[in-house]
Amino acid sequence: AQTVTQSQPEMSVQEAETVTLSCTYDTSESDYYLFWYKQPPSRQMILVIRQEAYKQQNATENRFSVNFQKAAKSFSLKISDSQLGDAAMYFCAYRALNAGNNRKLIWGLGTSLAVNP
Amino acid sequence: SAVISQKPSRDICQRGTSLTIQCQVDSQVTMMFWYRQQPGQSLTLIATANQGSEATYESGFVIDKFPISRPNLTFSTLTVSNMSPEDSSIYLCSVTSGNSYEQYFGPGTRLTVT
Repeated sequence: AQTVTQSQPEMSVQEAETVTLSCTYDTSESDYYLFWYKQPPSRQMILVIRQEAYKQQNATENRFSVNFQKAAKSFSLKISDSQLGDAAMYFCAYRALNAGNNRKLIWGLGTSLAVNP
Repeated sequence: SAVISQKPSRDICQRGTSLTIQCQVDSQVTMMFWYRQQPGQSLTLIATANQGSEATYESGFVIDKFPISRPNLTFSTLTVSNMSPEDSSIYLCSVTSGNSYEQYFGPGTRLTVT
């Protein structure tokens, strides 16, 4: 069974600095998707960034980028120039490509990120 | 991305009663998912709702406790039946559309059972 592990329950970063959140996963599939979601205190879950496993190039969305290491089954999120609004719970999630009608996500336990002014 | 609304946004209910949560999407979507989330914790999938068929429930969740309706491609409801304090949680609706592999979420319903 697929699993997603986030080994850092809590992280903190100074405003304007860079922080990296870790995520590892376990799967026997070769094609899949990986996601990072952000959930601020308002609890609205927001998709931050996604990565297709067949793509070697790391995904980037503005200040957010990933370091995808397929062989190591690692999918870390880097937040550059951290802002106060980045403070949130961050979840890593996995979905198999050939899921058929089963498109459910496998979730990590989350990392709570605090941004210090 | 789809715009998703949920009603109610929060409620306080007495044990033994039932609450129906509504999820409305601004466009037709293929699949709708219902999650439960304890504050500060990860998400637990309750069931997947497909239009025109029975919902598929995850291990530990049963239809009698969490009946789901999906009457069309833009709307679904989740009922939390015969509630107990252990049902106090945030309930989230999410959707995928067509062949998209991305899931989008509603704002959630915070339920407190006293």
